[in-house]
Amino acid sequence: GAGVSQTPSNKVTEKGKYVELRCDPISGHTALYWYRQSLGQGPEFLIYFQGTGAADDSGLPNDRFFAVRPEGSVSTLKIQRTERGDSAVYLCASSLIGLGNEQFFGPGTRLTVL
Amino acid sequence: GNSVTQMEGPVTLSEEAFLTINCTYTATGYPSLFWYVQYPGEGLQLLLKATKADDKGSNKGFEATYRKETTSFHLEKGSVQVSDSAVYFCALSDRTGNTPLVFGKGTRLSVIA
Repeated sequence: GAGVSQTPSNKVTEKGKYVELRCDPISGHTALYWYRQSLGQGPEFLIYFQGTGAADDSGLPNDRFFAVRPEGSVSTLKIQRTERGDSAVYLCASSLIGLGNEQFFGPGTRLTVL
Repeated sequence: GNSVTQMEGPVTLSEEAFLTINCTYTATGYPSLFWYVQYPGEGLQLLLKATKADDKGSNKGFEATYRKETTSFHLEKGSVQVSDSAVYFCALSDRTGNTPLVFGKGTRLSVIA
């Protein structure tokens, strides 16, 4: 079956613009995670959905970042008034609900803010 | 809070050499521990995991043992191949349920023929 997909694969934008990043999880995976990976670093948690609701958004850096998952499947990460420091690879992962279940990662969206 | 510390790279080895990548963690309770691998041009993939103390995860010739007494989860392989060249990430998750992964910074491994 298909894995986690993310679009676009690359996004270049200008400082101050609004961007949306999309994640299509594996079918049937209730849990969905967003992470951000800066160059030379490991992924850092942003937000976790269980179904349609955000179960944990403690990793969002500020109120410019927002994510939705209205039907419990596809999720969109939205970044307002982008800053150069937002440049990173944004990763999405999905998993079944349950202890120690593997998170399956998408290929990521590389965001560059000029 | 929870954290993971892994040895810094890059690590360069000759083919058939022995590999160790150190990983230690700080966590409350009893986390699940993971090694993820990122091959060039590909996404993160789970390599192996262990969910309780003294468990050994293994896959593709790689092994790691969950050591609670030393809070470690070192990755080992007896004989590396060129195809093992990748970035390796140690990670943990809280055992209370589906929780976000906390990753180390990653260790880049290059294996030369």
